[in-house]
Amino acid sequence: GENVEQHPSTLSVQEGDSAVIKCTYSDSASNYFPWYKQELGKGPQLIIDIRSNVGEKKDQRIAVTLNKTAKHFSLHITETQPEDSAVYFCAARMVQGAQKLVFGQGTRLTINP
Amino acid sequence: EAGVAQSPRYKIIEKRQSVAFWCNPISGHATLYWYQQILGQGPKLLIQFQNNGVVDDSQLPKDRFSAERLKGVDSTLKIQPAKLEDSAVYLCASSPLRNTEAFFGQGTRLTVV
Repeated sequence: GENVEQHPSTLSVQEGDSAVIKCTYSDSASNYFPWYKQELGKGPQLIIDIRSNVGEKKDQRIAVTLNKTAKHFSLHITETQPEDSAVYFCAARMVQGAQKLVFGQGTRLTINP
Repeated sequence: EAGVAQSPRYKIIEKRQSVAFWCNPISGHATLYWYQQILGQGPKLLIQFQNNGVVDDSQLPKDRFSAERLKGVDSTLKIQPAKLEDSAVYLCASSPLRNTEAFFGQGTRLTVV
């Protein structure tokens, strides 16, 4: 089955700097890669996603890149703000069968003012 | 549009007791997921429904966990009897189709003492 590895587990950056979180996946047939933001006491919220036919996608200060050959994808947050502090999860959706969505272990991002 | 509703928000039970969680997905969403999120980890899929049929329950501990989605709308997840290691947040999510984005509820935090 699919396995998703996420790094780093914690990340601390100064406000205004950029943050990068990286994930690798094992199933080369996976075709959908969402990123979720989870704030304390809340469920995960989708912030950006990318499909396997696209190499990069941007939405204001956030962007996601996908390298299908290397089976890894990354989340980039520029001009970080205090409200970006949260736990971020990457995920990969398997193509076969139930098309399960498999999550990484999460990255706790802290933005220091 | 109303989001995914879950209840209760919190539950504390003693080991060997039973507990049930309820989920109301977004109207019209055919796919419903139950995830278990242990503190500090990413969500792990327990069971996935397509309408009222199960499409994946490979990681559901069937000796103690059960779930149903009668009429293809609301769903309940039950644990009987509970163990200490079942302490976690139980997240319900829904999506319009299997291969589209998933929307999460706020979750139910279960503590087994």
